[in-house]
Amino acid sequence: ELKVEQNPLFLSMQEGKNYTIYCNYSTTSDRLYWYRQDPGKSLESLFVLLSNGAVKQEGRLMASLDTKARLSTLHITAAVHDLSATYFCAVDHTQGGSEKLVFGKGTKLTVNP
Amino acid sequence: GAGVSQTPSNKVTEKGKYVELRCDPISGHTALYWYRQSLGQGPEFLIYFQGTGAADDSGLPNDRFFAVRPEGSVSTLKIQRTERGDSAVYLCASSHNPDTGELFFGEGSRLTVL
Repeated sequence: ELKVEQNPLFLSMQEGKNYTIYCNYSTTSDRLYWYRQDPGKSLESLFVLLSNGAVKQEGRLMASLDTKARLSTLHITAAVHDLSATYFCAVDHTQGGSEKLVFGKGTKLTVNP
Repeated sequence: GAGVSQTPSNKVTEKGKYVELRCDPISGHTALYWYRQSLGQGPEFLIYFQGTGAADDSGLPNDRFFAVRPEGSVSTLKIQRTERGDSAVYLCASSHNPDTGELFFGEGSRLTVL
């Protein structure tokens, strides 16, 4: 059974600081996704990582994937308040004709002025 | 519409009642998923449709839960004899690109069972 673990689960940081969120998973997968969720809202797709060594950047966020280590990171550079949200990683679990994503518990990020 | 549409957005019901939640995916998306999200948790997979058929229903918690997609577009999640533990946000997602597997989520239906 595929397990996805994120850490930290809660992160409070000051504006202007840098930090990294980690996502580990337990079985082989080549595809990993990062989503953002604002309170009471649905999930917004941030990054799609499709191969080992993939790196994608959008604004102050950068995501990477190491399939050998079964690890993805979401790096935040010079945080701003607007980045406050919950961030989920999700791992593709395609097996026997079924395709689904298995999500981590999420990292609740609060960026303080 | 441009995105995944779910109705109702909120549903309050009493224990033991029957509930239907509807999902209208993005036009042309052949894959449709139902997930359930409890407070403070990540979404948990319930069922996956490819076209009209349920390709994987392994996430449905028990036989009180059932979902259909008769014409390969709109899907309905049906919950019989609701229990308080069924309270959660039910999210629907659709996908059209098997190369990326990226899911596009609706706003969800918040179910509260009193």
